[in-house]
Amino acid sequence: DAKTTQPTSMDCAEGRAANLPCNHSTISGNEYVYWYRQIHSQGPQYIIHGLKNNETNEMASLIITEDRKSSTLILPHATLRDTAVYYCIVRPTYSGAGSYQLTFGKGTKLSVIP
Amino acid sequence: DAGVTQSPTHLIKTRGQQVTLRCSPISGHKSVSWYQQVLGQGPQFIFQYYEKEERGRGNFPDRFSARQFPNYSSELNVNALLLGDSALYLCASSLDRGDEQFFGPGTRLTVL
Repeated sequence: DAKTTQPTSMDCAEGRAANLPCNHSTISGNEYVYWYRQIHSQGPQYIIHGLKNNETNEMASLIITEDRKSSTLILPHATLRDTAVYYCIVRPTYSGAGSYQLTFGKGTKLSVIP
Repeated sequence: DAGVTQSPTHLIKTRGQQVTLRCSPISGHKSVSWYQQVLGQGPQFIFQYYEKEERGRGNFPDRFSARQFPNYSSELNVNALLLGDSALYLCASSLDRGDEQFFGPGTRLTVL
């Protein structure tokens, strides 16, 4: 089962910042927070990930609370092409000789409105 | 640079048949993972391969099998197809097992 909770859907006006919340209250100290998005009928696209500190790249910013129990993905200037399902995923930093699978929940469907 | 490629794009099979799906990772990536996504759900993990060895398996029956070749490409095989196997099958590659996974466009399998 997914270890994260996200709203089912959100709307955002084009050009405004989209703030997508994620609750991961049971996260452990050795687990990353990953964000992916999936545009209709395409493969998921990696956005960003973090452990403790806030992270920023060309696509988005990731804000992780100090207690690490929640995070927010920020798309600074949403465009129509950002309409997608956004997945917040918690994943161990280390799994020995095992696998590093991503456990997807149902995500948040973000609709960017003109 | 080429991303992850998968073939075929679409496939229609009937119950009881067998299917093989193919994946070519990003150049230099040594790990390949497979996921199944049924309509309305998030992707579900099936396998991860690294250096031609299976490193993890999700909760899927033995009808599902996979392998990774010396060039790091991979095949997913599903035997005795059921209607419930109809889904988008996604392949993801990563440099190493624990690195970010980059997904291909998927293969849409329909079982009639």
